[in-house]
Amino acid sequence: DGGITQSPKYLFRKEGQNVTLSCEQNLNHDAMYWYRQDPGQGLRLIYYSQIVNDFQKGDIAEGYSVSREKKESFPLTVTSAQKNPTAFYLCAVGTGGTSPLHFGNGTRLTVT
Amino acid sequence: QKEVEQDPGPLSVPEGAIVSLNCTYSNSAFQYFMWYRQYSRKGPELLMYTYSSGNKEDGRFTAQVDKSSKYISLFIRDSQPSDSATYLCAMMGSAGGTSYGKLTFGQGTILTVHP
Repeated sequence: DGGITQSPKYLFRKEGQNVTLSCEQNLNHDAMYWYRQDPGQGLRLIYYSQIVNDFQKGDIAEGYSVSREKKESFPLTVTSAQKNPTAFYLCAVGTGGTSPLHFGNGTRLTVT
Repeated sequence: QKEVEQDPGPLSVPEGAIVSLNCTYSNSAFQYFMWYRQYSRKGPELLMYTYSSGNKEDGRFTAQVDKSSKYISLFIRDSQPSDSATYLCAMMGSAGGTSYGKLTFGQGTILTVHP
């Protein structure tokens, strides 16, 4: 989706290093989300934010951290505490409430 | 038990076939139902969005929701090779519930339509 930019597309890190994934949107939507996708497991919610300066843990928040200092940006940090960080990470945005989400094209993180 | 169950397939059909994709769920609070299509190495794109029980049609795609059975379906008519992708069901609850404002996804079904 042109309005949601995730960067980089591919990211490689050594075990023990923290890494930050970028998500930027120009859709002026309030809500932003981070999901993780692993083969055969669908998408699992890591963190979400309904408004600037506020965010909530999702189902698998351990080992991750986020910030929401600007409406346009919702970066995700994968810390060294995350036991299995290698995955496809997807950022999504929505207008909030029961509106559907729209996704970026993801960042594939490989940790060795 | 997962809140949303989806047969991962893979499903392989000939071009022109009718495809049926299905999900079951256990959380009766889910009221809003979506289907996403995901091509390889891309993010999911929204195909259908429905509220509560009933049918919704959009071109070759029909979404069906049966809340009494906690069962949703996506039908694709006259399937094309370009329909080859992973299809994800997703659902959300209404305001006031713990599933409000966030989507819960099925595992995704891998579909291949061969010429």
